[in-house]
Amino acid sequence: KAGVTQTPRYLIKTRGQQVTLSCSPISGHRSVSWYQQTPGQGLQFLFEYFSETQRNKGNFPGRFSGRQFSNSRSEMNVSTLELGDSALYLCASTDALVQFFGPGTRLTVL
Amino acid sequence: GQQLNQSPQSMFIQEGEDVSMNCTSSSIFNTWLWYKQDPGEGPVLLIALYKAGELTSNGRLTAQFGITRKDSFLNISASIPSDVGIYFCAGLTGANNLFFGTGTRLTVIP
Repeated sequence: KAGVTQTPRYLIKTRGQQVTLSCSPISGHRSVSWYQQTPGQGLQFLFEYFSETQRNKGNFPGRFSGRQFSNSRSEMNVSTLELGDSALYLCASTDALVQFFGPGTRLTVL
Repeated sequence: GQQLNQSPQSMFIQEGEDVSMNCTSSSIFNTWLWYKQDPGEGPVLLIALYKAGELTSNGRLTAQFGITRKDSFLNISASIPSDVGIYFCAGLTGANNLFFGTGTRLTVIP
């Protein structure tokens, strides 16, 4: 089976812009979770989607949103980007409670 | 969000040496996971532990689920240069919330 794929791998934006990141889970996995990883804060949970519904949400502002499609692919959106949003954004799909991560999207906000 | 206490924070070892790292929490977890992350990539699952006291091996890696369910240990035997990376523990609660450790950065000196 192919692993979790994320696009794009790298992204550079400026403050105030918005960005959309995409994640395709492992075939057959219906749950997708998103994480933000920064050197200072480590891995922080953003949200989880299951069958197109947000099932769980971390402690992030409303500028961070997501959705899941009927084919389990997921997108996350960050609006009004801030410098502090620069991070590696990781997507994980879940099988039997174990999460498998994609390679991440490195977002740099200038 | 909640993070697990992982130690040591970093390690510098000679090739061939054994490595031990651990993860502790004040909370009980139902599942412990150990991941390895290479620079610029997503974490890769190494070992999953599902039962208190469980000891599981994956090649040169051995991990244990602590009896109290509040800790876990990872050992790497006979380290090699490709073991370099950041190792994360993760604990899954009964509510299926996943929390990550702060990571152990391993450097192997040839």
